[in-house]
Amino acid sequence: KNEVEQSPQNLTAQEGEFITINCSYSVGISALHWLQQHPGGGIVSLFMLSSGKKKHGRLIATINIQEKHSSLHITASHPRDSAVYICAVVLQGAQKLVFGQGTRLTINP
Amino acid sequence: DSGVTQTPKHLITATGQRVTLRCSPRSGDLSVYWYQQSLDQGLQFLIQYYNGEERAKGNILERFSAQQFPDLHSELNLSSLELGDSALYFCASSRESGGNTIYFGEGSWLTVV
Repeated sequence: KNEVEQSPQNLTAQEGEFITINCSYSVGISALHWLQQHPGGGIVSLFMLSSGKKKHGRLIATINIQEKHSSLHITASHPRDSAVYICAVVLQGAQKLVFGQGTRLTINP
Repeated sequence: DSGVTQTPKHLITATGQRVTLRCSPRSGDLSVYWYQQSLDQGLQFLIQYYNGEERAKGNILERFSAQQFPDLHSELNLSSLELGDSALYFCASSRESGGNTIYFGEGSWLTVV
């Protein structure tokens, strides 16, 4: 079993829909990152969380440390949100990132 | 633009060869990370340097090595290349070590033929 599991693996939705991507992890962490990777390959860091909730524009990320779970929400989704979203955790006591397998999101106009 | 610069962007080389990938971190960032992204393995952490010193090691093969120089740029050396080493190699940087936003370069596409 992977240390970081994301669901769903693939998600297709219509423009305007509310999107939720989930990330569960089985290890102790000091922080969790949400990353976005566009088809060209570039990776952008969206959020870094150690507790609670963060919001940036139409994106919201939450984390529940006790339940070892994080969610990424996109409100009023748009075709330009189409990308792979990757959850990555920073292992407690170590500096390495462990990545989920990613969620491929496609937003149709 | 993340401020992290990687060169080369694309590289094609033959099996058995050696290549060097270069990374310049964002100005002021002390930590440099290297990651490998292959089709079958996803993103994997290779190694981290902080202010010139190795800080953490991940799934880095013995044929691979890295270093961070006094000017904080870093190089990833891949030797005795195999077909399976074909991947996208990312460099990233952050201000400190752990607990900071990480900024990724655009990656170096390596194809081994």
